[in-house]
Amino acid sequence: QQQVRQSPQSLTVWEGETAILNCSYEDSTFDYFPWYWQFPRESPALLIAIRPVSNKKEDGRFTIFFNKREKKLSLHITDSQPGDSATYFCAASSDTNAYKVIFGKGTHLHVLP
Amino acid sequence: DMKVTQMPRYLIKRMGENVLLECGQDMSHETMYWYRQDPGLGLQLIYISYDVDSNSEGDIPKGYRVSRKKREHFSLILDSAKTNQTSVYFCASSSGNTGQLYFGEGSKLTVL
Repeated sequence: QQQVRQSPQSLTVWEGETAILNCSYEDSTFDYFPWYWQFPRESPALLIAIRPVSNKKEDGRFTIFFNKREKKLSLHITDSQPGDSATYFCAASSDTNAYKVIFGKGTHLHVLP
Repeated sequence: DMKVTQMPRYLIKRMGENVLLECGQDMSHETMYWYRQDPGLGLQLIYISYDVDSNSEGDIPKGYRVSRKKREHFSLILDSAKTNQTSVYFCASSSGNTGQLYFGEGSKLTVL
């Protein structure tokens, strides 16, 4: 049972375009949603995160949109740059689920110059 | 400096041999994790540790065990490794339930 789902599996955009990465989850007790990015041959690192008290979190070119009712969120990367090419993981955790941080399978983003 | 260190970084073992992967962190984080990463499968949680000698199974604990005798050190043990345990293993730590994980550089294990 996959608790955190991501789509698409792979996404290619041109430099300057907006990339939209989608995520959905099953467990309504999840209350923290971090996005991690991972560059080839490196370890994942926290990019941006949101809690359900907000429906939007912005950090420069990266914005999370959150829809609690539909249990969906999305990461928007505006003015995409070739350096943004990486795998993006949506994750979820819950105070009631003993600190478990569950990851989706990831979206491979390719930004073409 | 906030750092999670994994040893060894690369390891080749034969099926049936024992494997020890070690992880250390210098942030005094209570919570530590072991994940494995396989192509197309994302990061799968093997074990989580809340503090010394306080460990809990993750989603795929079968074939693995862990040890945490000091807060800064968390080990993953494979008794009699199998070929399907070939993977990249990541250790991570976090402070309480912040949800922010700090990852080590990974340990690439190949079981022949």
